[in-house]
Amino acid sequence: GQQLNQSPQSMFIQEGEDVSMNCTSSSIFNTWLWYKQDPGEGPVLLIALYKAGELTSNGRLTAQFGITRKDSFLNISASIPSDVGIYFCAGRRFKTSYDKVIFGPGTSLSVIP
Amino acid sequence: DTAVSQTPKYLVTQMGNDKSIKCEQNLGHDTMYWYKQDSKKFLKIMFSYNNKELIINETVPNRFSPKSPDKAHLNLHINSLELGDSAVYFCASVKSGQGIGNEQFFGPGTRLTVL
Repeated sequence: GQQLNQSPQSMFIQEGEDVSMNCTSSSIFNTWLWYKQDPGEGPVLLIALYKAGELTSNGRLTAQFGITRKDSFLNISASIPSDVGIYFCAGRRFKTSYDKVIFGPGTSLSVIP
Repeated sequence: DTAVSQTPKYLVTQMGNDKSIKCEQNLGHDTMYWYKQDSKKFLKIMFSYNNKELIINETVPNRFSPKSPDKAHLNLHINSLELGDSAVYFCASVKSGQGIGNEQFFGPGTRLTVL
């Protein structure tokens, strides 16, 4: 079945550093999503991407929809302690929002003050 | 003004028991989901309902039975609980249609522990 891979699996960084993580798939997706999960909470949508090559920012976060439609990247600039959490990428084959979303295994981010 | 709410937040029970967890959304969405997050944090979809009709049913044991009494509610009943059912269960909802700017909202989760 469809599967997403995320790397790195976990990261420990100093406050103020920039962070990069990516998500790859063997299948093409038409929508890429990035969610963040804080401890004890549900995932929260950070950025949604709908077009190959699209680059979208949300504050210090920037995500890109890979041109092959098989990958996506998330960058966080000038990390702060509240960036700690698990970052999930997710892909959807079709643009209809109720279609099944496949989640990656997550990247766990720890920020050292 | 909670968007997607789940009850209970925590559920501890003995193996073999039957339990239900409930989800409600006040966003006017017409599609709701149940996800299971295991100890490795992997999120896996279980079920999805659109306008009270089951549209996604992944390979889930028959002991799990979802019920959607109306578009705003999706409940999950689990029979004969097993140790492997211990996980965090998330409810999510979305308004169907073109996806642009219209993605799933997740509830806070229900942590189920089976002893």
